[in-house]
Amino acid sequence: NAGVMQNPRHLVRRRGQEARLRCSPMKGHSHVYWYRQLPEEGLKFMVYLQKENIIDESGMPKERFSAEFPKEGPSILRIQQVVRGDSAAYFCASSPSTRAYRTDTQYFGPGTRLTVL
Amino acid sequence: QKEVEQNSGPLSVPEGAIASLNCTYSDRVSQSFFWYRQYSGKSPELIMSIYSNGDKEDGRFTAQLNKASQYVSLLIRDSQPSDSATYLCAVNKGNNFNKFYFGSGTKLNVKP
Repeated sequence: NAGVMQNPRHLVRRRGQEARLRCSPMKGHSHVYWYRQLPEEGLKFMVYLQKENIIDESGMPKERFSAEFPKEGPSILRIQQVVRGDSAAYFCASSPSTRAYRTDTQYFGPGTRLTVL
Repeated sequence: QKEVEQNSGPLSVPEGAIASLNCTYSDRVSQSFFWYRQYSGKSPELIMSIYSNGDKEDGRFTAQLNKASQYVSLLIRDSQPSDSATYLCAVNKGNNFNKFYFGSGTKLNVKP
């Protein structure tokens, strides 16, 4: 299965702990996007990354949140000192290229459901 | 003004009817347009993409694009209860930054 993979699928953290969410893009895809979705709400863009570069982080909260997409390995969304308001579904999507926008489409992973106790 | 706007619904249609979902976008330079379906508790799933004015058909789904009026629509013919989901409209401006803008989604209920 060459789809977008995310792990863990469910993550429970206590307030003040750190959450690390992982995303492996589809094979051949070099662009990764992270979204957050609160219950009964739409997708909120967080960050867009290419390998070793953050392209657009305009949707990331200024504090406690960070993202990376290293040369080797999955993309990581890191939330430090989690609070109850961080409880949400976090989706990762990937796409193949920047220039060929006519063939670009974002494909979503299954998501990570974060619950902060 | 939001980049992409959708009526949140819910839109209720009887089984077998045509469901019509609409979406408007604010930036005229937008280049590519997508419809995703999201079942409750699941991730978004791509249904259709459209790039040119006019209609694009795929099975029971037809996407319509009108760039002059800046709207995109999705028609679902012969609606089935399994079509009940939230439908997300997404727009790609096609500039150097491959960023998608999503609407908040329209919830569709197809009643048996």
